[in-house]
Amino acid sequence: EVQVLESGGGLVQPGGSLRLSCAASGFSFSNYGMTWVRQAPGKGLEWVSSVSGSGGNTYYPDSVKGRFTISRDNSRNTVYLQLNSLRAEDTAVYYCVKVDRIGGLGPFDHWGQGDLVTVSS
Amino acid sequence: QLVLTQSPSASASPGASVKLTCTLSDGHNSYAIAWHQQQPEKGPRFLMHLHSDGTHTKGDGIPDRFSGSSSGTERYLTISSLQSEDEADYYCQTWGTGAVLFGGGTKLTVL
Repeated sequence: EVQVLESGGGLVQPGGSLRLSCAASGFSFSNYGMTWVRQAPGKGLEWVSSVSGSGGNTYYPDSVKGRFTISRDNSRNTVYLQLNSLRAEDTAVYYCVKVDRIGGLGPFDHWGQGDLVTVSS
Repeated sequence: QLVLTQSPSASASPGASVKLTCTLSDGHNSYAIAWHQQQPEKGPRFLMHLHSDGTHTKGDGIPDRFSGSSSGTERYLTISSLQSEDEADYYCQTWGTGAVLFGGGTKLTVL
């Protein structure tokens, strides 16, 4: 059974940093891309970043480029999201999702339960 | 520019069928999408991967009541024999060169 489990969320001040982790199991981890999606309170889904199975290719929307960094450790079956220079508008539930492609961009086929990040003073 | 458009809301009665639409921007009629369901107070769940020719692959445990189809730039999700637990937000998702996009979502009410 495929499982993805996020951790590391919490309350952080504006301008601060946080690192989210996502532990995956139940599939051949290095053969699939991974992605992060967020959902602000009462809003829709927003793609945040993706990484290829090898970790060699990463993708970001303009809204987080230069502030967020996705990475993965295939020896630990874990993907990370480093969030820097956080703003109030980054407050959201962050979901870790498996991509049904090795390249990192494709259908998102298994979702984690989400982890709340709150940016507030 | 790649854009996904969804109607904000839809409604239908229990036992009826409903067809939700996700429209790709002009010139993108070859693109596949994925459909996701988000029930109230829950995380999203993958429903299916839908190709431009209408063929689709469903996620683990998705009932036969859920099906997909395509026509031109439109991608459809049909839910038959509606049940109360189908009341949810439904999002379409696609991907292109270096980016991923979600539609704004359709809130389905089963009344």
